[in-house]
Amino acid sequence: QSVLTQPPSVSGAPGQRVTISCTGSSSNIGAAYDVNWYQQLPGTAPKLLIYGNTNRPSGVPDRFSGSKSGSSASLAITGLQAEDEADYYCQSYDSSLSGYVFGTGTRVTVL
Amino acid sequence: QVQLQESGPGLVKPSETLSLTCIVSGDSITSYYWNWIRQPPGKGLEWIGDIYYSGSTNYNPSLKSRVTVSVDTSKNQLSLKLTSVTAADTAVYYCARVKMGAVDYWGQGTLVTVSS
Repeated sequence: QSVLTQPPSVSGAPGQRVTISCTGSSSNIGAAYDVNWYQQLPGTAPKLLIYGNTNRPSGVPDRFSGSKSGSSASLAITGLQAEDEADYYCQSYDSSLSGYVFGTGTRVTVL
Repeated sequence: QVQLQESGPGLVKPSETLSLTCIVSGDSITSYYWNWIRQPPGKGLEWIGDIYYSGSTNYNPSLKSRVTVSVDTSKNQLSLKLTSVTAADTAVYYCARVKMGAVDYWGQGTLVTVSS
C-alpha cells in the first residue's frame, strides 16, 4: 500500500531530460522528512541514487539530481542514456505509519 | 565493503511460517538500523520492519500482527519470521542497512514462493 505516488512510466530519447515526480502528504514528505531515490535494474536489488533529497552517493553520475518542494519531490535525469532504462522508486518516512514508505515506482524507457 | 546475504527456504506452504536469515559482513550489526523489505513479482517495494541491535523494532502496521524481526549480535545476523503466510506473501525478500533514513546497502534478495 504505497503512500507515495509516482507516474507509472516516463520515456525519452537519448540525450534528453526526463523527470519523475513523487507526491506524498503532510505525514511524510510534507512533514519535512527526507526523500531518497533508488534505481532498480532488471533482476537486481535497488541501488541508492539520491539521499537526503538532493545528495548523490559516491559513484552516481551527476546526470541524476533530486529536488523537493512541499509534499512532493522530483528526480531528474539529464543526458538520458540507454543504461538508465530501469525502475525508479522514491522513499521517505511516514509519521502516521511510524515507518518507511516507498513510491509506486516509475519505469524509465529510453526510446 | 558491507555485504548482506539472505538465506532461507524458497518455498513455504500456505498458513505456515516464513523464516529468513541475513548475515552481515563488513560492518557490525551494532551500528545503524537493519531492515527487511519485500517486492512481489512485478510489483513495487514494501517495507516490512527494522531493528536496532538493542532489540528495538518497528513494523509495517499492515504486517505487524504476523511479523517478528530479531538480531543475533554474536553472529552478526538478523532474522525475519512471518506467520500465517498466503500467496500474497510471495515476494523477493531483501535485508538492508538504513543510514540516516536511506537504504545504503541491500542484500541480493531471496525469492520466497508461498504455494502448496
